Amino acid sequence: GESVGLHLPTLSVQEGDNSIINCAYSNSASDYFIWYKQESGKGPQFIIDIRSNMDKRQGQRVTVLLNKTVKHLSLQIAATQPGDSAVYFCAENNAGNMLTFGGGTRLMVKP
Amino acid sequence: ETGVTQTPRHLVMGMTNKKSLKCEQHLGHNAMYWYKQSAKKPLELMFVYNFKEQTENNSVPSRFSPECPNSSHLFLHLHTLQPEDSALYLCASSPGQGGLNEQFFGPGTRLTVL
Repeated sequence: GESVGLHLPTLSVQEGDNSIINCAYSNSASDYFIWYKQESGKGPQFIIDIRSNMDKRQGQRVTVLLNKTVKHLSLQIAATQPGDSAVYFCAENNAGNMLTFGGGTRLMVKP
Repeated sequence: ETGVTQTPRHLVMGMTNKKSLKCEQHLGHNAMYWYKQSAKKPLELMFVYNFKEQTENNSVPSRFSPECPNSSHLFLHLHTLQPEDSALYLCASSPGQGGLNEQFFGPGTRLTVL
């Protein structure tokens, strides 16, 4: 079946470095994608989204890249800070108002 | 804060108990969702409500019973749960049909079934 998956379960980076979190999706009909951040004891927090008619979108310190050819989504975090430590999920919208979530990647920032 | 609140934040119940989880959104959204989040598993969609009507039941056991009295409130009634139902239960809302499916989540209810 269609699914969203993440390449790396854990990513460890040095404070100040850039982080890249990857996500593969398999449904070519997906038209909208979201990255969420989930800190311990909290619900997922919306970070940034992108529609399928775009290949790049930038926010504050974050950039999402979409490569529809290989069905790949990535989240780039510039100058990673300790507060960025969390689990990051990608989600795809492929049917009405339903999202399919990936398994999540844990980002650990070393001081 | 995301504009979605959930109560209680923590709940411990026995298998014979009946309890309810509450979710409220202050975003003017028309769609609300219940998700289950277990350790090492992706978020699992349970129920979807659009304009107070249930539009999705993702094969959820009948011991979970949702209720949506209006577009701002969503309940999940629990009865005769099993220990494997212990998880974080997340509520979310989104603008609804026709708009981008940008879902905003509440903080969740951590449920432990003894």
